[in-house]
Amino acid sequence: SAVISQKPSRDICQRGTSLTIQCQVDSQVTMMFWYRQQPGQSLTLIATANQGSEATYESGFVIDKFPISRPNLTFSTLTVSNMSPEDSSIYLCSVEGWQNNEQFFGPGTRLTVL
Amino acid sequence: KQEVTQIPAALSVPEGENLVLNCSFTDSAIYNLQWFRQDPGKGLTSLLLIQSSQREQTSGRLNASLDKSSGRSTLYIAASQPGDSATYLCAVTQGGSEKLVFGKGTKLTVNP
Repeated sequence: SAVISQKPSRDICQRGTSLTIQCQVDSQVTMMFWYRQQPGQSLTLIATANQGSEATYESGFVIDKFPISRPNLTFSTLTVSNMSPEDSSIYLCSVEGWQNNEQFFGPGTRLTVL
Repeated sequence: KQEVTQIPAALSVPEGENLVLNCSFTDSAIYNLQWFRQDPGKGLTSLLLIQSSQREQTSGRLNASLDKSSGRSTLYIAASQPGDSATYLCAVTQGGSEKLVFGKGTKLTVNP
C-alpha cells in the first residue's frame, strides 16, 4: 500500500480567496486523483493528474476553478480558487497501487469557507 | 451512468453481533469493487478489493462478496466491536477507467 500525506489537514478561509492543497506519496505513481466530499455526501472525482500532462477534469469541474499541478511522480497540488461557501468540503487525493488497481487515499483536507 | 446505492444508510448494533452491509450498482460492467472505511473527519481506509472475476475476498473478520450479474455486493462483519464504528463506503470502477464511483455509505455504530 501507499502512504499518502496531505497539507493542510484543515483550513478556514474567507470568500474570494484561494487555497492550495498538497498531496505527497511515499512512492512513485503514474496517476493521482483528486476527490471532493461535500457535507453529508459521498466522494466525487474532480480530476485525474498525470505527470507531464494536463489534468483530466470530470464533468462539472473546470481548470480555472480547480487548477492542478503534477511536477513529479510523488507530488501533486490542487488549488481551490475564488472560494465560496459552497466549496466547503473535504478534499482527498488518492493513488492507484501497483497491484490490482486498488486505490489508496490520503487523510483529506477539511476546508471551511466563510 | 453508473450509480451506486448502499443500504441501510445507518445501522446500530450491539457489540458481538454479526452484520451485513449492502451495496448495489446499476451497470454490471465493472472492473472491480472496493470497500472502504471512513472515520469521522478522516480519509478513507481500503478494506477489501474484489476484481470482477472474483466472488469474494476475506480479511480477518471481514468478508466481501460480489455478484456482478445482479449488480450487488455485501460486506459481512463478524463479531462486531465498538472499534468497527465508522462509515463504510462501497465504490466501483468501470473497464478502461480508474475513476471510482462511490455510494453514499452506511454509518455503522457498534454499542458496547
